[in-house]
Amino acid sequence: QKEVEQNSGPLSVPEGAIASLNCTYSDRGSQSFFWYRQYSGKSPELIMFIYSNGDKEDGRFTAQLNKASQYVSLLIRDSQPSDSATYLCAADTGGFKTIFGAGTRLFVKA
Amino acid sequence: DAGVIQSPRHEVTEMGQEVTLRCKPISGHDYLFWYRQTMMRGLELLIYFNNNVPIDDSGMPEDRFSAKMPNASFSTLKIQPSEPRDSAVYFCASRGTGGSTGELFFGEGSRLTVL
Repeated sequence: QKEVEQNSGPLSVPEGAIASLNCTYSDRGSQSFFWYRQYSGKSPELIMFIYSNGDKEDGRFTAQLNKASQYVSLLIRDSQPSDSATYLCAADTGGFKTIFGAGTRLFVKA
Repeated sequence: DAGVIQSPRHEVTEMGQEVTLRCKPISGHDYLFWYRQTMMRGLELLIYFNNNVPIDDSGMPEDRFSAKMPNASFSTLKIQPSEPRDSAVYFCASRGTGGSTGELFFGEGSRLTVL
């Protein structure tokens, strides 16, 4: 079983809508969680990190963590065409070992 | 800082040839990671180092793959002999620890095509 699971998508939303991306992880010892964005042909770049249960907001982005359910999500409000990319969920599984999910492709239609 | 530097950016080789990918991490970062990305399998962790020492190489596919980090500013990933199924984008990433958020800083990747 892959340690970090994501729906590969594609997820398509209209411009201005909320995009909701989800992720589950299998290692209960994981403490830190990350969302990376990857544009086609580019390298991943960090957009959010979260360590504690609950919500964490940064601009149009909100990360949510539920350790009891082993669930992480990312909400993108007021989605823009420039948000179209692959979003990678990642977890630090201990010893600074960072494991990525396969990614969810997001398309924002103008 | 120049960021994580990888070379070559693109490599096309024939099956059976040796391939060497290179990485220079961000100065001061004490962790270095090698990942492989394909459409089918996503971003897979191959191996990572702490202070030049390999910590976990359980993701290395088989004995044809090897990685070294002879010093804090240089690492190599070698494939010998290469096979068509090794075709992928190979990313190197580094991170710090003290005061770090845990963010990985990625190089631009090395796109490998094995014919």
